[in-house]
This record gives sequence, structure tokens and C-alpha cells, in this order.
Amino acid sequence: GDSVTQMEGPVTLSEEAFLTINCTYTATGYPSLFWYVQYPGEGLQLLLKATKADDKGSNKGFEATYRKETTSFHLEKGSVQVSDSAVYFCALSETGGFKTIFGAGTRLFVKA
Amino acid sequence: GAGVSQSPSNKVTEKGKDVELRCDPISGHTALYWYRQSLGQGLEFLIYFQGNSAPDKSGLPSDRFSAERTGGSVSTLTIQRTQQEDSAVYLCASSLGHHGGSLDEQFFGPGTRLTVL
Repeated sequence: GDSVTQMEGPVTLSEEAFLTINCTYTATGYPSLFWYVQYPGEGLQLLLKATKADDKGSNKGFEATYRKETTSFHLEKGSVQVSDSAVYFCALSETGGFKTIFGAGTRLFVKA
Repeated sequence: GAGVSQSPSNKVTEKGKDVELRCDPISGHTALYWYRQSLGQGLEFLIYFQGNSAPDKSGLPSDRFSAERTGGSVSTLTIQRTQQEDSAVYLCASSLGHHGGSLDEQFFGPGTRLTVL
């Protein structure tokens, strides 16, 4: 079945460091890909998404490119802030489907 | 406007008891989802509603789990004869439901933390 694998955390960075959180997927069709974020004490919220190969999703300085050839959707940010400390979830959903498969989540700590 | 709300926020119960978890989706959202998040795990899909119908119940872990949705709005997840392995955070999400999961953004509630002693 479909699955999502993301790097284990926690990831600890200093402010202004470059962030990469790896995410790879397996899917039988052509899924849409998502990154969700869960800030401390808050519910999950959509960070960005990409619906087809080579699409780049971006939001709040975060970016991720849908790479079909490597089945990846790595999350990147050029300069993290303390306020980016959260748990990040990579997810996929089959086109026209409703079931969303989530990765295990990666906790990010950003130190001042 | 109001987001997705869930109640109770915390529930402690004894093994073997039944529990009901409630989800109030965003008004106008036709799609509603239930997930389970166990400690250190990702989100496990349980069930999806489009309106009052649940096209796929295969994610429910066992026949002790059931869910219903009435009036295209509030949903209740019921766990009968709870077991310790049912302890988790149960999350509800809703979406517009116009395009299916691939395009719709899901809006999540704060979750219900269930502890089975």
C-alpha cells in the first residue's frame, strides 16, 4: 500500500540555519503531496502542497518540490527562526481520493 | 470563523468501558475525517465521511470502533470495550469535500487525548 517515510527527529538547529527534512513516498498512482505542521499546543495545519510532478509548494519561507523520479518531497527553508519549532508531517493523497497517508512526523527545535 | 472542535479534550477511562468522542466540523464542510495518533507515531487514518456516508471503513482498527455522522455535521467516534492499546490522541479534520482528498485542505481539530487505564 501507499506509504510515507520521513526523517526521524528531533532535528535541532540554530536560528538562521538551513533546514532540510527529507520525505519519500511510495504510491501506485499519482498522488498529491503535502506538508502539515503542528506548532506547540495547536492543531495540525497545512503548510504547503504540490499536486503534480515538478510542482513546487511554498509558504512562510518553506519550499518543497514534487520529484517523481526520486519519489521525494523534501521540505526546505533557507533560514529558520525560533518560531518554526514544531512537528512537521509529510503526507500524500491519491488523486481524486480521500484517504491521506501521513508520515511519522519530524520534530524541529530551533535555538536562539 | 470557528474551526473544528472536539470534545472532550481529555478522557480517562477504565479498560472495558465504552467511550464516545465528538467532532464538530467547520460549517459547510461536507467531508470529515477521523485519525488516530499514537505516541511517537504518525497519523493513522480511521474513517472518512462525505456527507453522512462513510465510503470506506477499512481503516477502523477493529469492530469495537464505529463512527457516525448526522445531518452532515457532527460526528461521533465510539470505542466499545476499550483496551489499553486504544490510548492515543484522536484527531478529527474537515474539508470542503469538493475535490476529494487530493486537493482539499484538511482543517484539524485540537484532538481528544484518550487514556485507557
